[in-house]
Amino acid sequence: GIQVEQSPPDLILQEGANSTLRCNFSDSVNNLQWFHQNPWGQLINLFYIPSGTKQNGRLSATTVATERYSLLYISSSQTTDSGVYFCAVEVTGNTPLVFGKGTRLSVIA
Amino acid sequence: NAGVTQTPKFRVLKTGQSMTLLCAQDMNHEYMYWYRQDPGMGLRLIHYSVGEGTTAKGEVPDGYNVSRLKKQNFLLGLESAAPSQTSVYFCASSGWTSGNPEQYFGPGTRLTVT
Repeated sequence: GIQVEQSPPDLILQEGANSTLRCNFSDSVNNLQWFHQNPWGQLINLFYIPSGTKQNGRLSATTVATERYSLLYISSSQTTDSGVYFCAVEVTGNTPLVFGKGTRLSVIA
Repeated sequence: NAGVTQTPKFRVLKTGQSMTLLCAQDMNHEYMYWYRQDPGMGLRLIHYSVGEGTTAKGEVPDGYNVSRLKKQNFLLGLESAAPSQTSVYFCASSGWTSGNPEQYFGPGTRLTVT
């Protein structure tokens, strides 16, 4: 099956710093989503981005489908950005998303 | 619009007891999923459903059963709980919201089996 690798596994940032999280996948995909799990366990959908670039406030994401990777950018990080960021992909329709192991981000004041 | 809700939020079971977790969604989504997440781990898919009356096995289905009798509900059952099933269980649903097949998660159920 498809492999999804996220890097780095852990990241510690000072508040106000920028960061880039990476997601590599081993096959062509028709669905890619980014999720944030906050320290209380809640999972929030950030982006649906099978290709191209999207922005939402301080967060943006870019997927280069032909090269099989996606990047999540966090600018001017805040302590509320802490948590785990998951990338998930789907190869074909009607199959569940395959999740990466996540990147754990800690933003310190 | 409540999104995805889960009942109960917390539960403690003794080994061998049974229970049912209820997931409900009000977004008219076709697809629903049950995951488990163990400490420091990612999400592992237990079972999923691509529509009312259908179910399919995920990565870790053993010891669990599911039913999708109504489109908006997806039930996860544990017939004989084991300590290895201590975990946080998340339900999710997905469908074409605003033109995108986004997946949304419930708040989770923390289950402890003693």
